Amino acid sequence: GENVEQHPSTLSVQEGDSAVIKCTYSDSASNYFPWYKQELGKGPQLIIDIRSNVGEKKDQRIAVTLNKTAKHFSLHITETQPEDSAVYFCAAPQRDTGRRALTFGSGTRLQVQP
Amino acid sequence: DAGVIQSPRHEVTEMGQEVTLRCKPISGHNSLFWYRQTMMRGLELLIYFNNNVPIDDSGMPEDRFSAKMPNASFSTLKIQPSEPRDSAVYFCASSRIQGAQGYTFGSGTRLTVV
Repeated sequence: GENVEQHPSTLSVQEGDSAVIKCTYSDSASNYFPWYKQELGKGPQLIIDIRSNVGEKKDQRIAVTLNKTAKHFSLHITETQPEDSAVYFCAAPQRDTGRRALTFGSGTRLQVQP
Repeated sequence: DAGVIQSPRHEVTEMGQEVTLRCKPISGHNSLFWYRQTMMRGLELLIYFNNNVPIDDSGMPEDRFSAKMPNASFSTLKIQPSEPRDSAVYFCASSRIQGAQGYTFGSGTRLTVV
């Protein structure tokens, strides 16, 4: 199946700084890359996604970049705030499901220090 | 829109007992996914349905696990008999689009088997 690797596993930043989380994938035919945020006691929530026909997408303080050649994509959070503290997951379509379901990275625990 | 509704939120049961987890997807969503989340293995896809039909159950760990979707508004995941290693958070997600896009997750069921 699709292999999605995510780094780092933990990330601590000062409020106002930027945070970057990176993921690599193995299936060159993958065409959709979402990012999810999971707060304590809740289910993952989609925060941004990108399709393979664009290299970057922004939504206020959040952006995602995609490098298809290198098969990696990254989440960028600028001007971080304490409420950004959560676990973030990248994902990609799972090849052995006919790309009908997502496989998730191992998660990054982001801590924003006030 | 009430979102994806899962019940119960918490379940504690004794080893060997039958456990049934329930999910109500968002109305109009025709794909439904069951995932399991543990510290060791992260988010794992167990099974998914499209238009109430199971498409891929290769992620179901053992024959002790079974899932049904008798209609578009209800799905169950059953474990019989339960074992301590089944302890995890089980998430249901639904999507309007066929394919690995636009997931909305429920709040999950935290299962503890003692």
